[in-house]
Amino acid sequence: DAKTTQPPSMDCAEGRAANLPCNHSTISGNEYVYWYRQIHSQGPQYIIHGLKNNETNEMASLIITEDRKSSTLILPHATLRDTAVYYCIVRPPYTGTASKLTFGTGTRLQVTL
Amino acid sequence: EPEVTQTPSHQVTQMGQEVILRCVPISNHLYFYWYRQILGQKVEFLVSFYNNEISEKSEIFDDQFSVERPDGSNFTLKIRSTKLEDSAMYFCASSEAGVGNQPQHFGDGTRLSIL
Repeated sequence: DAKTTQPPSMDCAEGRAANLPCNHSTISGNEYVYWYRQIHSQGPQYIIHGLKNNETNEMASLIITEDRKSSTLILPHATLRDTAVYYCIVRPPYTGTASKLTFGTGTRLQVTL
Repeated sequence: EPEVTQTPSHQVTQMGQEVILRCVPISNHLYFYWYRQILGQKVEFLVSFYNNEISEKSEIFDDQFSVERPDGSNFTLKIRSTKLEDSAMYFCASSEAGVGNQPQHFGDGTRLSIL
């Protein structure tokens, strides 16, 4: 599986946009970029995923560079409830079995007043 | 919004005892997974399950572990003879399909404490 690199921690002021970067320079052409977050010890929460194009949903936007070697998750107006560990995961395509998620250590985002 | 539910939220068991962790996946999902997270460590894949059989398992998933879909709604993880190092959060997940563009959705986990 392609490896991802994320900063260990980031701070963001409440109401501001949080931009979380991720490097995945060894990603292959058919691998998806997924973002999950984990609030305290709860289960990982799916946020968004993409292949080549930028994606937006009610939670966040995902910007993938043209060469696909990096991406940025954007939380447009961070709130205190967005404080969590954010995981960027490159997921292999279907290989004949259900493709697992391989979690790294993620970025701990602290949203402050 | 449909969600994955797990019971119990916390299980305390004596070392050497058997434990069964239960999950109710999202109703139209066909692929099921178990992950675990030891305190302070990464979330680790244990096993995936489709069409009543294991699709893939990790090195952690040894002979002490088994999974079952006993009926149309439940998905269980059994640990036959628990060890101290089995203490962890166990997360169940499900997805519509096993392909890369179908997200897995997680439950809030069972905290397993082995004494």
